[in-house]
Amino acid sequence: AQTVTQSQPEMSVQEAETVTLSCTYDTSESDYYLFWYKQPPSRQMILVIRQEAYKQQNATENRFSVNFQKAAKSFSLKISDSQLGDAAMYFCAYNAGNNRKLIWGLGTSLAVNP
Amino acid sequence: DAGITQSPRHKVTETGTPVTLRCHQTENHRYMYWYRQDPGHGLRLIHYSYGVKDTDKGEVSDGYSVSRSKTEDFLLTLESATSSQTSVYFCAAGEGGGYTFGSGTRLTVV
Repeated sequence: AQTVTQSQPEMSVQEAETVTLSCTYDTSESDYYLFWYKQPPSRQMILVIRQEAYKQQNATENRFSVNFQKAAKSFSLKISDSQLGDAAMYFCAYNAGNNRKLIWGLGTSLAVNP
Repeated sequence: DAGITQSPRHKVTETGTPVTLRCHQTENHRYMYWYRQDPGHGLRLIHYSYGVKDTDKGEVSDGYSVSRSKTEDFLLTLESATSSQTSVYFCAAGEGGGYTFGSGTRLTVV
């Protein structure tokens, strides 16, 4: 069965510093997609970044980047120059290329300290 | 216009009553989903739809039913609400995992 594990229930970072959130997954598929979603206190779920497994290049969206290690089945999210607005719950998710249902991790709660 | 609109945003209902939550999309996605979010469980899929009148069960479908009569609307019904169905419910739409989510409905069953 495919699973997604986020081993850090809570993390904190100082404003303007860099933080990395961990995610590992288990799958026997070779073609799939990985995602990071952000859920701020407003409750709105927002897609932060996506990675296609066939792409070796790590995805980047402004201050957000990933470290995708396919062999290790690891997909970490790096947030650079952290801002107060980055405080949120972050969810890692997996989707097999031929299956449109997402498999979710349990989330990491990120606090940003001024 | 928001891509996904959920209504109501909050609801309190009594045990044993039926409840319907509504989801409306303006993005013409074929796939739509209903999730519930509970502490310690993350997001769990209740039901999903892959087209008008085409629906299937997710991992926590007991006590819930859905209907999709139009591409843009996806309804979730709690047939007889129980306290264990107190939760935050999210609707989502999209394919391949890059979903757009609604703002959620906080449902409290008393």
